[in-house]
Amino acid sequence: RKEVEQDPGPFNVPEGATVAFNCTYSNSASQSFFWYRQDCRKEPKLLMSVYSSGNEDGRFTAQLNRASQYISLLIRDSKLSDSATYLCVVNTEDKIIFGKGTRLHILP
Amino acid sequence: DVKVTQSSRYLVKRTGEKVFLECVQDMDHENMFWYRQDPGLGLRLIYFSYDVKMKEKGDIPEGYSVSREKKERFSLILESASTNQTSMYLCASSLEGGDSYNEQFFGPGTRLTVL
Repeated sequence: RKEVEQDPGPFNVPEGATVAFNCTYSNSASQSFFWYRQDCRKEPKLLMSVYSSGNEDGRFTAQLNRASQYISLLIRDSKLSDSATYLCVVNTEDKIIFGKGTRLHILP
Repeated sequence: DVKVTQSSRYLVKRTGEKVFLECVQDMDHENMFWYRQDPGLGLRLIYFSYDVKMKEKGDIPEGYSVSREKKERFSLILESASTNQTSMYLCASSLEGGDSYNEQFFGPGTRLTVL
């Protein structure tokens, strides 16, 4: 099993819809989790941290499922500007691992 | 605002040339990182540094070296560039966090083409 795995997509979603994608990780000792966003031809930027109890930031909700070893990102009422690649990041025993990313296209 | 700058956005070099990629951050961060990003392979860590003159190998250090003479500057060196080093190179910095993770701030990237 790969250390961090994401569905590469692309997810093609109409504007206004809700979309969710997951990221699985292999090491149960992983300590902290994050979602980064990368726009086309730009650098990655932190979108949000993922807390054990789940957390929400506006239209974005992140959740952690330790038992099944995955994190999720849900985007409600999607906007055209949400089109990007979403990278999950897992911190495991001082090693930071980036997923390869999930591409999201919001369609007008 | 944290700012990480990279010396070039686009660079074209010939096989065998020595290539220097420079990265500077202005937020007094202890940690600095060099990644390369390729389609289908994602971000791969080349080297990182947690202090001046300190360096640690990442996942793919072969063919690269680094230099950190000052806290704000981290250089990536390709001693003899090869075509398989054509890639997007991203520099990042973060605060020292001990066992915890601090947000990495990325530079805009250098797209290197080796002919």
